Amino acid sequence: AQSVTQLDSQVPVFEEAPVELRCNYSSSVSVYLFWYVQYPNQGLQLLLKYLSGSTLVESINGFEAEFNKSQTSFHLRKPSVHISDTAEYFCAVLERTSYGKLTFGQGTILTVHP
Amino acid sequence: DAGVTQSPTHLIKTRGQHVTLRCSPISGHKSVSWYQQVLGQGPQFIFQYYEKEERGRGNFPDRFSARQFPNYSSELNVNALLLGDSALYLCASSLQDRGYTFGSGTRLTVV
Repeated sequence: AQSVTQLDSQVPVFEEAPVELRCNYSSSVSVYLFWYVQYPNQGLQLLLKYLSGSTLVESINGFEAEFNKSQTSFHLRKPSVHISDTAEYFCAVLERTSYGKLTFGQGTILTVHP
Repeated sequence: DAGVTQSPTHLIKTRGQHVTLRCSPISGHKSVSWYQQVLGQGPQFIFQYYEKEERGRGNFPDRFSARQFPNYSSELNVNALLLGDSALYLCASSLQDRGYTFGSGTRLTVV
């Protein structure tokens, strides 16, 4: 069975600083990878996804993540964060042989301070 | 275009009661999945339905059931509610398992 580990439960950072949210996964088969963001009292919003092709994927708001198959990682990065990036971030995997069962990590709370 | 809509947004129930949560997927999406998110944790998979057939079930007791209707909307039912069922219940729809769009969820509180 697949599993996802988000290595940091909380990441405090100052505005305009770079940030990396770490995600490692375990699976015996090929996977699709996702990052979701959740603002307080809201549902999940898809930030970016890796399905195939280039291992570096980008979102429209400056986040990027790189799929590293050898290290089974999918870390999320942003070179300069804004106050509005404060939220909880979830890494998720979907085994290519499964039917829609996303497995999520425990989440990382990103807090951006002025 | 409307996104995934869930109703109700909030619900308070008493232990032992039954609850029905509803989800309407994005137009054209035939797959609906349900997740439970307990406070402070990541979402946990409950069910997936595709074309009205159950395609996957997570590690939840038989008190949890679901169905999908011909218009692809879905209901999640929970019987004999326990305090531990208090959570945010999320519905997601997808076109071809390539990306899942989530609704805003139903916040269930069991007292």
